[in-house]
Amino acid sequence: GAVVSQHPSWVICKSGTSVKIECRSLDFQATTMFWYRQFPKQSLMLMATSNEGSKATYEQGVEKDKFLINHASLTLSTLTVTSAHPEDSSFYICSARDGQVSYEQYFGPGTRLTVT
Amino acid sequence: LAKTTQPISMDSYEGQEVNITCSHNNIATNDYITWYQQFPSQGPRFIIQGYKTKVTNEVASLFIPADRKSSTLSLPRVSLSDTAVYYCLVGDASNDYKLSFGAGTTVTVRA
Repeated sequence: GAVVSQHPSWVICKSGTSVKIECRSLDFQATTMFWYRQFPKQSLMLMATSNEGSKATYEQGVEKDKFLINHASLTLSTLTVTSAHPEDSSFYICSARDGQVSYEQYFGPGTRLTVT
Repeated sequence: LAKTTQPISMDSYEGQEVNITCSHNNIATNDYITWYQQFPSQGPRFIIQGYKTKVTNEVASLFIPADRKSSTLSLPRVSLSDTAVYYCLVGDASNDYKLSFGAGTTVTVRA
């Protein structure tokens, strides 16, 4: 089956620094990738949609200058949390849509970010 | 994005069948219905997807009535390892199939 990986699986960083999270589709080409954030005991919240080779589309209330998304290839998307603060601590999850099977999304294992 | 409503929680026992019903009154013609399972600190895992009538795979069945305003996920003979949060989602075919996650249903299976 389709596999999506994320790296790192967890990261701890100091307040004010930037952190990059990678999302890779391992065995399919992902024309669209999505980034979600999940706080403890809450549901997933869609942050942005990225299509390969074009700018990401951010959901309302998500700061595009703070959460930089790059989707440079059909198998890799990155999320960079710039100038991280403790309130950015969360579980970040990506998903990828296989362009050949238009409606199915495959989720990565998630990245736990802790900002101290 | 079509909004979905499902029970917050359900309790069951090992070996029983669990049925979770989700309502999606505003589902659009091109929308698909998808169910995901999530364990703590893991990404959601695809369970099943359908458009209408009944879909069955090795882990679950999905029942969708003709009006498509609701759907029921059926998990046969659950085990302790099926304890998880189950999300019902409607994919927006006109918008990159974006998914809007609701609160989900926490299913607790007891011995």
